[in-house]
Amino acid sequence: DTGVSQDPRHKITKRGQNVTFRCDPISEHNRLYWYRQTLGQGPEFLTYFQNEAQLEKSRLLSDRFSAERPKGSFSTLEIQRTEQGDSAMYLCASSSPGLGNEQFFGPGTRLTVL
Amino acid sequence: AQTVTQSQPEMSVQEAETVTLSCTYDTSESNYYLFWYKQPPSRQMILVIRQEAYKQQNATENRFSVNFQKAAKSFSLKISDSQLGDTAMYFCAFMGPGAGSYQLTFGKGTKLSVIP
Repeated sequence: DTGVSQDPRHKITKRGQNVTFRCDPISEHNRLYWYRQTLGQGPEFLTYFQNEAQLEKSRLLSDRFSAERPKGSFSTLEIQRTEQGDSAMYLCASSSPGLGNEQFFGPGTRLTVL
Repeated sequence: AQTVTQSQPEMSVQEAETVTLSCTYDTSESNYYLFWYKQPPSRQMILVIRQEAYKQQNATENRFSVNFQKAAKSFSLKISDSQLGDTAMYFCAFMGPGAGSYQLTFGKGTKLSVIP
């Protein structure tokens, strides 16, 4: 296993379009997280899954955002009716309870909304 | 809600010298974890070092060490013998699993440049 992977790495879309990102965590990790990072800022938490259950959602996650983790494996993050303010790096991380709560991050998906 | 503050937006250090990055945090929890993550340019974030709040001993990982002052809510990172590969954004992060939350709260980061 080579770590957390995310697809696509870059996405350019027009305002109003829907986009979907995928995250594949490290295979034995049951916890999966989504963060958003804008230029010059630290990552901000969006949502967290334990297995297939979505246990936490940030207030940043408006009703245009939805995340799923079917069967507790990969996860998808969908943004509907994108806005220019959604332009950011979307980071996925995974962790396992036995690893001191360390979260392993993927390379991110950079979204640009025109 | 927890907050994490990194008061140094940018720092530079000469190769082989020592540099200290500052971080303060605010929480009412007693059981928590603190982390320093490194994000090299155009590369993914990796863990540098972690500290459990219940441990009084400061964590050390090779050239990286922390000064954890729980009462002052301070968590600084010291990098010894700085190397060119240390050039990166460094983020301080807080996790409070005692409240059932495994989310990380990050500071705004410190951009560190190691000068040859």
